[in-house]
Amino acid sequence: DIVLTQSPATLSLSPGERATLSCRASQSVSRYLAWYQQKPGQAPRLLIYDASNRATGIPARFSGSGSGTDFTLTISSLEPEDFAVYYCQQRSNWQTFGQGTKLEI
Amino acid sequence: QVQLQESGPGLVKPSGTLSLTCAVSGDSISSNNWWSWVRQPPGKGLEWIGKISHSGSTNYIPSLRSRLTISVDKSKNQFSLKLSSVTAADTAVYYCARDSDYGDYFDSWGQGTLVTVSS
Repeated sequence: DIVLTQSPATLSLSPGERATLSCRASQSVSRYLAWYQQKPGQAPRLLIYDASNRATGIPARFSGSGSGTDFTLTISSLEPEDFAVYYCQQRSNWQTFGQGTKLEI
Repeated sequence: QVQLQESGPGLVKPSGTLSLTCAVSGDSISSNNWWSWVRQPPGKGLEWIGKISHSGSTNYIPSLRSRLTISVDKSKNQFSLKLSSVTAADTAVYYCARDSDYGDYFDSWGQGTLVTVSS
């Protein structure tokens, strides 16, 4: 199984700041990695797929990068509604998720 | 816009069978997409557990393969999950989701339903 490790577990920032979230895979997943946002009591929402492609309707402040084993989700300037839990997910070998990063104010 | 809605009992006894249905609207279950189940234990992360195509082909996570069955009902535009011999470890919010057009990512989700395994 491919294990995805996200860091940090919790990230404390303020609105307007830049957020950088990391996801590391236990073996190469090429560019087959996605990022999701989940707010309390809600289903996850797809933000980024294939490492760097924004899903439909996702604001441009969200961007993804990386390939192989190291990936980054960047939120260029945090809005109040961006504070949530973020998960990465790979589809290279089955479909597995990271354990999540909580982005808090 | 595709919408998914889970339904089923919220409480299942240990050793019983967990059964859920996902009704799909705004898209045909017969499309080229696969349809998945993802679960999330309370306060924990996400776990994809299995998926089905419109033709009935299935993929299950190995750890659940002996207990999990996913089926599709094209006449009702819905798909279902049955998980047998449940234990407290199967307590989770269960989401149904659509696999995206660009690969095995999940671009549409149901709102999720909490299933508790308890006597």
